Amino acid sequence: EVQLVQSGAEVKKPGESLRISCKGSGYSFTNYYISWVRQMPGKGLEWMGRIDPSDSYTSYSPSFQGHVTISADKSISTAYLQWSSLKASDTAMYFCARHGSSSWYSLDFWGQGTLVTVSS
Amino acid sequence: QSVLTQPPSASGAPGQRVTISCSGSSSNIESNTVNWYQHLPGTAPKLLIYSNNQRPSGVPDRFSGSKSGTSASLAISGLQSDDEADYYCAAWDDSVNGPVFGGGTKLTVL
Repeated sequence: EVQLVQSGAEVKKPGESLRISCKGSGYSFTNYYISWVRQMPGKGLEWMGRIDPSDSYTSYSPSFQGHVTISADKSISTAYLQWSSLKASDTAMYFCARHGSSSWYSLDFWGQGTLVTVSS
Repeated sequence: QSVLTQPPSASGAPGQRVTISCSGSSSNIESNTVNWYQHLPGTAPKLLIYSNNQRPSGVPDRFSGSKSGTSASLAISGLQSDDEADYYCAAWDDSVNGPVFGGGTKLTVL
């Protein structure tokens, strides 16, 4: 069974750094890209960027380029999303998702989400 | 403001058919395929339709998708209470080199 399991909820202060994780299982982790998607409170979904776990090649949405860093450790089948200096506006639910096996342009399995709250 | 435009809400009685529209542009829907996701808050989103009209294994044939030009739609027939959820359309966007999403449609089963 394909699963993406994300790390737990985080509460941080503005200016702090953070790294959240997404561990894949039930499939060959290096064969499928992983994307990160943001959902701000009461809002829709926004694609942030993706990574090819086989070589850690990344591509970012222009809206998020320079604000976050996506990485992966293929030895432990885990992708990461990190911030060096959080802002209150980073408060959101963050999902990781696997690019599809039937269509690379779809996201066929998703993590359960990690809620990040940034507040002073 | 989402790149793709969806109505914020839709509703129907059990057993009825409801459609949800999704409008985009030449850089996304018109030139690429459309996917639909079902999301119950607090859970992982679920891929419902990919490549405009294909259903992943396990998705009932009550769900169907179509695309024409810069618009797409999701149809749900035989509405059930379990269908109450948020539905998002998405399409690859050539200018972003990634998927763009609609703002989501909250479906209420009356």
